Amino acid sequence: DIVMTQTPLSLSVTPGQPASISCKSSRSLLESDGKTYLYWYLQKPGQPPHLLIYELSNRFSGVPDRFSGSGSGTDFTLKISRVEAEDVGVYYCMQSIQLPWTFGQGTKVEIK
Amino acid sequence: EVQLVESGGGLVQPGGSLTLSCAASGFTFTTYWMTWVRQAPGKGLEWVANIKQDGSEKYYVDSVKGRFTVSRDNAKRSVYLQMNSLRAEDTAVYYCAVPGVDFWGHGILVTVSS
Repeated sequence: DIVMTQTPLSLSVTPGQPASISCKSSRSLLESDGKTYLYWYLQKPGQPPHLLIYELSNRFSGVPDRFSGSGSGTDFTLKISRVEAEDVGVYYCMQSIQLPWTFGQGTKVEIK
Repeated sequence: EVQLVESGGGLVQPGGSLTLSCAASGFTFTTYWMTWVRQAPGKGLEWVANIKQDGSEKYYVDSVKGRFTVSRDNAKRSVYLQMNSLRAEDTAVYYCAVPGVDFWGHGILVTVSS
């Protein structure tokens, strides 16, 4: 199974400041079709996850442009350029290049 | 509006069975693989199972193989998760989803306890 390792596991950020979450996979998520099957989700309390970024760096419909995804191979980063109060919750990375699909442990983001 | 509505959860004793249902609307159901994802209380997300558009391919996480069965009825626009030989560690909120396009149900709680 592909192991997804997120750091940090928690983050406290001042509104307006940037934030960054790292996700490392135990094998490359780059497929022969040129796509990297890495996704980022945000789960707010009491809600299902919500897709932010798909295939490494594509913002999903309606996701603010302060969210960006980057990386390659096995090392990935989700960046929030200026954190807002509504960004609180738990962020997960997920890989779908190989079954079983696996998630990172989650990174809890709080506002200072 | 896309909707995925799970039902069938509840309290069951260890060793018991339960079948979850997920009714889909607002999108072309037969276009997508369907997925079940679960989340134990206070824990992270875990992929459970996938089923192909026509039901011809099914995949499971190792921990549920041989105990859980995923199925779908395209005429009813529904996907199911039959869960047998339930264990305490199966206690979780179960989500019906198409994660890659952000279709998620509200989740349904399954509690396995005596």
